[in-house]
Amino acid sequence: GQNIDQPTEMTATEGAIVQINCTYQTSGFNGLFWYQQHAGEAPTFLSYNVLDGLEEKGRFSSFLSRSKGYSYLLLKELQMKDSASYLCAISDPGTGFQKLVFGTGTRLLVSP
Amino acid sequence: DTGVSQNPRHKITKRGQNVTFRCDPISEHNRLYWYRQTLGQGPEFLTYFQNEAQLEKSRLLSDRFSAERPKGSFSTLEIQRTEQGDSAMYLCASSLAGTGESSYEQYFGPGTRLTVT
Repeated sequence: GQNIDQPTEMTATEGAIVQINCTYQTSGFNGLFWYQQHAGEAPTFLSYNVLDGLEEKGRFSSFLSRSKGYSYLLLKELQMKDSASYLCAISDPGTGFQKLVFGTGTRLLVSP
Repeated sequence: DTGVSQNPRHKITKRGQNVTFRCDPISEHNRLYWYRQTLGQGPEFLTYFQNEAQLEKSRLLSDRFSAERPKGSFSTLEIQRTEQGDSAMYLCASSLAGTGESSYEQYFGPGTRLTVT
């Protein structure tokens, strides 16, 4: 099976940088995803890592270390609209990309 | 709007009643997924279709749950004899089969919030 851990809640200030960590245990691995979910809305795709290293997309970057079972999402120049839950997910190795296993999510609160 | 749509957005039902939800994926997407999400949790996988074929079902999906995608386009999720524990947000997502970057991103609909009283 798979197990994913991420902090329940984080707070940060507008304009700052925040790092949301995710650790996972799995018998196999196809890729790690980060999704953003605003309250009452659908999750939206942020990033995908399959190889070790850093993927940068504008203000958001995602890092993966497969040997350590560790990923983080880095958000720079925080804006109030970044207040949301950030979901870490891994793709089930038995089915390829089809099945995502999500963590419980990290609720980020950005204050002025 | 060319995104994933779900109907209804909200459903309140009494325990023991049957409910059916509909999902219309992005038109060119041949993969469709159903997830369930409860408050404070991440989405949990329920089932997956490629075209009209249901290729995987989670053990979470009891006999009271059934999903169909008859023509490989829209999908329905039916829950029979609802229980209070079925109260959750039911999310539908779709994606495009393939090997490139476009194949791994799942696009989620707004969800149907079910409340069983």
